Amino acid sequence: SAVISQKPSRDICQRGTSLTIQCQVDSQVTMMFWYRQQPGQSLTLIATANQGSEATYESGFVIDKFPISRPNLTFSTLTVSNMSPEDSSIYLCSVEDTQYFGPGTRLTVL
Amino acid sequence: DQQVKQNSPSLSVQEGRISILNCDYTNSMFDYFLWYKKYPAEGPTFLISISSIKDKNEDGRFTVFLNKSAKHLSLHIVPSQPGDSAVYFCAASARNAGGTSYGKLTFGQGTILTVHP
Repeated sequence: SAVISQKPSRDICQRGTSLTIQCQVDSQVTMMFWYRQQPGQSLTLIATANQGSEATYESGFVIDKFPISRPNLTFSTLTVSNMSPEDSSIYLCSVEDTQYFGPGTRLTVL
Repeated sequence: DQQVKQNSPSLSVQEGRISILNCDYTNSMFDYFLWYKKYPAEGPTFLISISSIKDKNEDGRFTVFLNKSAKHLSLHIVPSQPGDSAVYFCAASARNAGGTSYGKLTFGQGTILTVHP
């Protein structure tokens, strides 16, 4: 099964700034997924990123806030823009046809 | 609209006994179900899964049961150990049109399991 890595593992950011999270897979995949888990909440899908096309966002998530890049079949980035304390979450990536997630990025916004 | 529901926020069990965690779903398109264990500030750890063509899958101490007619699944942990204490999430997915892969996961709200020594 695919091995998924993420960078950074954690970060503490100031309100109003942006953070870009990277997700790397050790094999080529068509679909990559970005999830968020806010404190005490369940995991929620932010968007699906297919290589060569625009990401598909779930209800409640917009491209201006969470722009996603998918430059090739093994890599994707998620940017959390103009951050507020409500964006403090664990951000996770996953890929199609796997039960596994990346290790997650723990984001704290002050 | 919560398509996957875990109605029990918490469960407390004595060490050595059985833990039963329940999950209900509403979307008939879901045909693949998974259970995850999660510790605070970590990503979810995959435990066990089941396809809709089966009604039971077993892996060591973990067994998942699926009742498609009731749209209900459960995770049994026998025997329960203190190290099993964590938040457990069930998740569901629908295979693509070709039936060859599954994609995005829809998660339940989670159940906090506490196993007492």
